[in-house]
Amino acid sequence: DTGVSQDPRHKITKRGQNVTFRCDPISEHNRLYWYRQTLGQGPEFLTYFQNEAQLEKSRLLSDRFSAERPKGSFSTLEIQRTEQGDSAMYLCASSSDVSYTFGSGTRLTVV
Amino acid sequence: DAKTTQPNSMESNEEEPVHLPCNHSTISGTDYIHWYRQLPSQGPEYVIHGLTSNVNNRMASLAIAEDRKSSTLILHRATLRDAAVYYCILDNSGGGADGLTFGKGTHLIIQP
Repeated sequence: DTGVSQDPRHKITKRGQNVTFRCDPISEHNRLYWYRQTLGQGPEFLTYFQNEAQLEKSRLLSDRFSAERPKGSFSTLEIQRTEQGDSAMYLCASSSDVSYTFGSGTRLTVV
Repeated sequence: DAKTTQPNSMESNEEEPVHLPCNHSTISGTDYIHWYRQLPSQGPEYVIHGLTSNVNNRMASLAIAEDRKSSTLILHRATLRDAAVYYCILDNSGGGADGLTFGKGTHLIIQP
């Protein structure tokens, strides 16, 4: 297992377009998290899945954001009608115990 | 989760030990102390965690004060590859629903 994979690594999109990111967690990890990180700040929690169930969402996750984890395997994070304020690094992490393994993130730039 | 306080930045020389402090005066009895680091253009990486006793692993050591209100991450011999942002995080949920709460961390600069 090569760890947590995220795709794409970089995405440039025009304001108003929809984007979708994918995360492939470590296969035996049942917990999956999405975070957002802006320049100079630590990652901020967005949402949490236990297997296929989305159990927690941050207030940062506006109604333009949606996340899924079908069959409890990979997860997708979609942002509709992107805004310039959505520009950030989107990180995925998975866990089966007290430690977390993060992916390298998807850097989104909204122009 | 309880809050942690870390210096914004620290500088050290290559091949010397580095002691990264963290204050967590409001820590509860069930809070684990976690350290993660983030290299440029990468996601955070787990370093070490502990509850009450000092901990050692291949990456670092964690020294926890007797009253648990502070801790120190020790890199025994820093290399240029240790230059990163180091986050000290308290977590009592055992990997629960709200994940980890990151602060701004300490930006560690290693001089050759």
